[in-house]
Amino acid sequence: EPEVTQTPSHQVTQMGQEVILRCVPISNHLYFYWYRQILGQKVEFLVSFYNNEISEKSEIFDDQFSVERPDGSNFTLKIRSTKLEDSAMYFCASNRDLYNEQFFGPGTRLTVL
Amino acid sequence: AQTVTQSQPEMSVQEAETVTLSCTYDTSENNYYLFWYKQPPSRQMILVIRQEAYKQQNATENRFSVNFQKAAKSFSLKISDSQLGDTAMYFCAFMKNNAGNMLTFGGGTRLMVKP
Repeated sequence: EPEVTQTPSHQVTQMGQEVILRCVPISNHLYFYWYRQILGQKVEFLVSFYNNEISEKSEIFDDQFSVERPDGSNFTLKIRSTKLEDSAMYFCASNRDLYNEQFFGPGTRLTVL
Repeated sequence: AQTVTQSQPEMSVQEAETVTLSCTYDTSENNYYLFWYKQPPSRQMILVIRQEAYKQQNATENRFSVNFQKAAKSFSLKISDSQLGDTAMYFCAFMKNNAGNMLTFGGGTRLMVKP
């Protein structure tokens, strides 16, 4: 069964460094998302992406964040200058049609020191 | 903005018994979707069940069913014949009927199924 994959599973970085989190959505899906979950807190929406542009973004998704679909398979989240408070689990999700189930990846745990 | 509230941070149930997880939400929208996602210790979120707000009939999926009360803005999940594998965090989520279709999650309920 097709699934969303994410790499790396765990990333440790120093404050101020740039990180790129990678996701491979399910191949025939058209809509892509990033969510994050700070430890012990609720899952929060960051951004949605369709047709090579951002559809919607939350207040969390400020100028330090960017997303890209550099080729036909990858979907990336870049954080330009990481802060301590960026430490969280980052989930990628995708779906084929609007309003259908979003399939989630296993997440990348980002630790900012 | 939409908000989703899960008032039970933790619950436990004996194996084979039935448990109900609560969820309420606040929205001014008329058309929307509601979901229950399960997050086991492996942390990958899995869809359990979904409900379209325009449908009056409650969704069911094997041992999982919902009680959707649109006027009360309530969306509870009933798990029948609980199994050890049901142990997980359960998140209620809301999605508006528009482009972008972001999910708004509740805080989650940690369910422990005891043998």
